[in-house]
Amino acid sequence: QAQLVQSGAEVKKPGASVKVSCKASGYSLTTYGLSWVRQAPGQGLEWMGWINPYDGNTNYAQKSQGRVTMTTDTSTSTAYMELRSLGFDDTAVYYCARGGDIRAFDIWGQGTMVTVSS
Amino acid sequence: DIQMTQSPSSLSAFVGDRVTITCRASQGVRAYLNWYLQTSGKAPRLLIYVASTLHTGVPSRFSASGSGTEFTLTINSLRREDVGTYYCQQTYTNPRTFGPGTKVEIK
Repeated sequence: QAQLVQSGAEVKKPGASVKVSCKASGYSLTTYGLSWVRQAPGQGLEWMGWINPYDGNTNYAQKSQGRVTMTTDTSTSTAYMELRSLGFDDTAVYYCARGGDIRAFDIWGQGTMVTVSS
Repeated sequence: DIQMTQSPSSLSAFVGDRVTITCRASQGVRAYLNWYLQTSGKAPRLLIYVASTLHTGVPSRFSASGSGTEFTLTINSLRREDVGTYYCQQTYTNPRTFGPGTKVEIK
Protein backbone atom coordinates (compact mmCIF):
# COMPACT_ATOMS: atom_id res chain seq x y z
CA GLN A 1 0.00 0.00 0.00
CA ALA A 2 1.02 3.60 -0.44
CA GLN A 3 3.20 5.01 2.29
CA LEU A 4 5.65 7.77 3.12
CA VAL A 5 8.73 7.02 5.23
CA GLN A 6 10.74 9.89 6.66
CA SER A 7 14.32 10.20 7.81
CA GLY A 8 15.32 10.06 11.44
CA ALA A 9 15.47 12.62 14.20
CA GLU A 10 17.92 15.51 13.99
CA VAL A 11 19.56 17.77 16.54
CA LYS A 12 20.90 21.04 15.18
CA LYS A 13 22.48 24.18 16.55
CA PRO A 14 20.92 27.60 16.02
CA GLY A 15 21.82 29.00 12.63
CA ALA A 16 22.36 25.57 11.07
CA SER A 17 20.31 23.90 8.35
CA VAL A 18 18.40 20.64 8.32
CA LYS A 19 17.25 18.49 5.41
CA VAL A 20 14.48 15.98 5.99
CA SER A 21 13.68 13.26 3.48
CA CYS A 22 10.40 11.54 2.71
CA LYS A 23 10.42 8.41 0.56
CA ALA A 24 7.25 7.44 -1.23
CA SER A 25 6.35 3.86 -2.03
CA GLY A 26 3.28 2.12 -3.38
CA TYR A 27 2.38 4.98 -5.71
CA SER A 28 4.00 7.26 -8.26
CA LEU A 29 5.44 10.36 -6.57
CA THR A 30 4.69 12.49 -9.63
CA THR A 31 0.96 11.76 -9.49
CA TYR A 32 0.21 13.74 -6.33
CA GLY A 33 1.40 16.89 -4.61
CA LEU A 34 3.60 16.56 -1.55
CA SER A 35 3.20 18.88 1.43
CA TRP A 36 5.20 19.55 4.54
CA VAL A 37 3.51 20.25 7.86
CA ARG A 38 5.17 20.90 11.19
CA GLN A 39 4.02 20.68 14.77
CA ALA A 40 5.86 22.39 17.61
CA PRO A 41 5.69 20.64 21.00
CA GLY A 42 2.16 20.85 22.37
CA GLN A 43 0.97 22.95 19.45
CA GLY A 44 -1.22 22.52 16.40
CA LEU A 45 -0.44 21.78 12.79
CA GLU A 46 1.31 24.36 10.63
CA TRP A 47 1.39 23.97 6.84
CA MET A 48 4.81 24.93 5.46
CA GLY A 49 4.24 24.50 1.76
CA TRP A 50 3.95 21.99 -1.02
CA ILE A 51 5.69 20.80 -4.15
CA ASN A 52 4.30 19.38 -7.34
CA PRO A 53 6.75 16.53 -8.04
CA TYR A 54 5.61 16.39 -11.65
CA ASP A 55 7.07 19.78 -12.58
CA GLY A 56 8.91 20.86 -9.42
CA ASN A 57 6.68 23.88 -8.83
CA THR A 58 6.50 24.94 -5.22
CA ASN A 59 4.30 27.07 -3.01
CA TYR A 60 5.61 28.06 0.39
CA ALA A 61 3.86 29.55 3.38
CA GLN A 62 4.91 33.14 3.89
CA LYS A 63 6.37 32.31 7.30
CA SER A 64 8.77 29.80 5.72
CA GLN A 65 9.53 31.81 2.60
CA GLY A 66 13.22 32.47 2.12
CA ARG A 67 14.35 29.79 4.55
CA VAL A 68 12.76 26.66 3.12
CA THR A 69 13.40 24.70 -0.05
CA MET A 70 11.31 21.72 -1.10
CA THR A 71 12.62 19.39 -3.78
CA THR A 72 11.99 15.93 -5.13
CA ASP A 73 14.16 13.25 -6.70
CA THR A 74 11.80 11.29 -8.91
CA SER A 75 14.46 8.66 -9.63
CA THR A 76 14.32 7.58 -5.99
CA SER A 77 10.72 8.69 -5.26
CA THR A 78 12.02 10.88 -2.48
CA ALA A 79 10.99 14.36 -1.41
CA TYR A 80 13.16 16.68 0.62
CA MET A 81 12.55 19.69 2.80
CA GLU A 82 15.50 21.88 3.74
CA LEU A 83 15.12 24.57 6.38
CA ARG A 84 17.95 27.05 6.90
CA SER A 85 18.95 29.49 9.63
CA LEU A 86 17.31 27.39 12.31
CA GLY A 87 16.07 29.04 15.47
CA PHE A 88 14.85 27.53 18.72
CA ASP A 89 11.26 27.99 17.55
CA ASP A 90 11.92 25.61 14.64
CA THR A 91 11.99 22.74 17.14
CA ALA A 92 9.10 20.59 15.96
CA VAL A 93 7.99 17.35 14.42
CA TYR A 94 8.07 17.72 10.65
CA TYR A 95 5.63 15.67 8.59
CA CYS A 96 5.41 15.07 4.89
CA ALA A 97 1.95 14.32 3.53
CA ARG A 98 0.55 13.36 0.17
CA GLY A 99 -1.53 16.23 -1.14
CA GLY A 100 -1.07 19.91 -1.73
CA ASP A 101 -3.42 21.03 -4.40
CA ILE A 102 -7.12 21.00 -3.55
CA ARG A 103 -6.93 17.40 -2.42
CA ALA A 104 -6.84 16.40 1.22
CA PHE A 105 -3.68 15.02 2.77
CA ASP A 106 -4.51 11.34 2.66
CA ILE A 107 -1.17 9.75 3.54
CA TRP A 108 1.27 11.04 6.12
CA GLY A 109 4.84 10.17 6.97
CA GLN A 110 5.63 9.11 10.51
CA GLY A 111 7.19 12.47 11.35
CA THR A 112 10.76 13.62 11.93
CA MET A 113 11.67 15.34 15.18
CA VAL A 114 14.00 18.28 14.66
CA THR A 115 15.45 19.75 17.82
CA VAL A 116 17.31 23.05 17.76
CA SER A 117 19.55 23.30 20.77
CA SER A 118 22.75 25.09 21.65
CA ASP B 1 -4.84 34.13 4.50
CA ILE B 2 -7.97 32.20 5.46
CA GLN B 3 -8.22 31.75 9.21
CA MET B 4 -9.82 28.60 10.58
CA THR B 5 -11.46 28.43 13.99
CA GLN B 6 -12.86 25.43 15.83
CA SER B 7 -15.24 25.06 18.71
CA PRO B 8 -15.10 23.82 21.30
CA SER B 9 -11.35 23.76 21.93
CA SER B 10 -11.86 20.66 24.06
CA LEU B 11 -14.66 18.42 25.20
CA SER B 12 -15.23 15.47 27.45
CA ALA B 13 -18.03 13.00 26.73
CA PHE B 14 -19.20 9.54 27.70
CA VAL B 15 -18.76 6.49 25.56
CA GLY B 16 -21.84 6.27 23.40
CA ASP B 17 -22.49 10.02 23.35
CA ARG B 18 -23.00 12.02 20.19
CA VAL B 19 -20.27 14.61 19.73
CA THR B 20 -20.27 17.60 17.38
CA ILE B 21 -17.32 19.83 16.48
CA THR B 22 -17.70 23.05 14.50
CA CYS B 23 -15.15 24.59 12.14
CA ARG B 24 -15.47 28.06 10.68
CA ALA B 25 -13.48 29.70 7.91
CA SER B 26 -12.86 33.46 7.74
CA GLN B 27 -13.69 33.34 4.02
CA GLY B 28 -15.63 30.88 1.93
CA VAL B 29 -13.77 27.70 1.04
CA ARG B 30 -16.60 26.10 -0.91
CA ALA B 31 -16.44 22.39 0.04
CA TYR B 32 -12.65 22.15 0.24
CA LEU B 33 -12.66 21.32 3.92
CA ASN B 34 -11.06 18.24 5.45
CA TRP B 35 -11.03 16.69 8.90
CA TYR B 36 -8.15 14.87 10.55
CA LEU B 37 -7.68 13.01 13.83
CA GLN B 38 -4.37 12.97 15.63
CA THR B 39 -3.97 10.51 18.46
CA SER B 40 -1.20 10.85 20.98
CA GLY B 41 2.27 10.83 19.48
CA LYS B 42 1.13 9.85 16.01
CA ALA B 43 0.77 11.50 12.65
CA PRO B 44 -2.64 12.92 11.81
CA ARG B 45 -4.91 10.72 9.73
CA LEU B 46 -7.55 11.80 7.29
CA LEU B 47 -11.15 11.20 8.29
CA ILE B 48 -13.27 13.33 5.96
CA TYR B 49 -12.51 15.17 2.70
CA VAL B 50 -14.43 17.66 0.61
CA ALA B 51 -16.58 18.47 3.60
CA SER B 52 -18.59 15.28 3.86
CA THR B 53 -16.89 12.29 2.20
CA LEU B 54 -15.58 9.56 4.50
CA HIS B 55 -12.02 8.52 3.75
CA THR B 56 -11.42 4.82 3.13
CA GLY B 57 -11.69 2.75 6.28
CA VAL B 58 -13.23 5.48 8.45
CA PRO B 59 -16.12 4.11 10.52
CA SER B 60 -19.63 5.19 9.58
CA ARG B 61 -20.21 6.70 13.03
CA PHE B 62 -18.30 9.70 11.67
CA SER B 63 -20.18 12.17 9.51
CA ALA B 64 -19.63 15.74 8.41
CA SER B 65 -21.39 18.50 6.58
CA GLY B 66 -21.13 22.13 5.58
CA SER B 67 -20.12 24.44 2.81
CA GLY B 68 -18.74 27.91 2.49
CA THR B 69 -17.66 29.06 5.92
CA GLU B 70 -19.31 26.72 8.42
CA PHE B 71 -18.71 23.02 8.83
CA THR B 72 -19.47 20.34 11.37
CA LEU B 73 -18.02 16.95 12.25
CA THR B 74 -20.24 14.55 14.18
CA ILE B 75 -19.31 11.36 15.94
CA ASN B 76 -22.36 9.23 16.61
CA SER B 77 -21.80 6.97 19.58
CA LEU B 78 -18.33 7.99 20.77
CA ARG B 79 -15.85 5.18 21.31
CA ARG B 80 -12.63 5.10 23.34
CA GLU B 81 -10.51 4.89 20.19
CA ASP B 82 -11.94 8.25 19.04
CA VAL B 83 -9.96 10.08 21.71
CA GLY B 84 -7.48 12.61 20.32
CA THR B 85 -7.33 16.00 18.68
CA TYR B 86 -9.48 16.78 15.64
CA TYR B 87 -8.30 19.34 13.10
CA CYS B 88 -10.12 20.90 10.21
CA GLN B 89 -8.17 22.17 7.21
CA GLN B 90 -9.08 24.10 4.10
CA THR B 91 -7.47 23.21 0.79
CA TYR B 92 -9.30 25.87 -1.21
CA THR B 93 -6.39 28.27 -1.34
CA ASN B 94 -2.81 28.77 -0.18
CA PRO B 95 -1.77 28.65 2.60
CA ARG B 96 -3.60 25.41 3.38
CA THR B 97 -4.54 26.45 6.89
CA PHE B 98 -5.51 24.17 9.73
CA GLY B 99 -7.84 24.94 12.58
CA PRO B 100 -6.37 25.04 16.09
CA GLY B 101 -7.79 21.65 16.99
CA THR B 102 -10.46 20.20 19.27
CA LYS B 103 -9.29 17.81 21.95
CA VAL B 104 -11.77 15.01 22.64
CA GLU B 105 -11.59 13.01 25.85
CA ILE B 106 -13.67 10.32 27.49
CA LYS B 107 -15.43 11.08 30.79
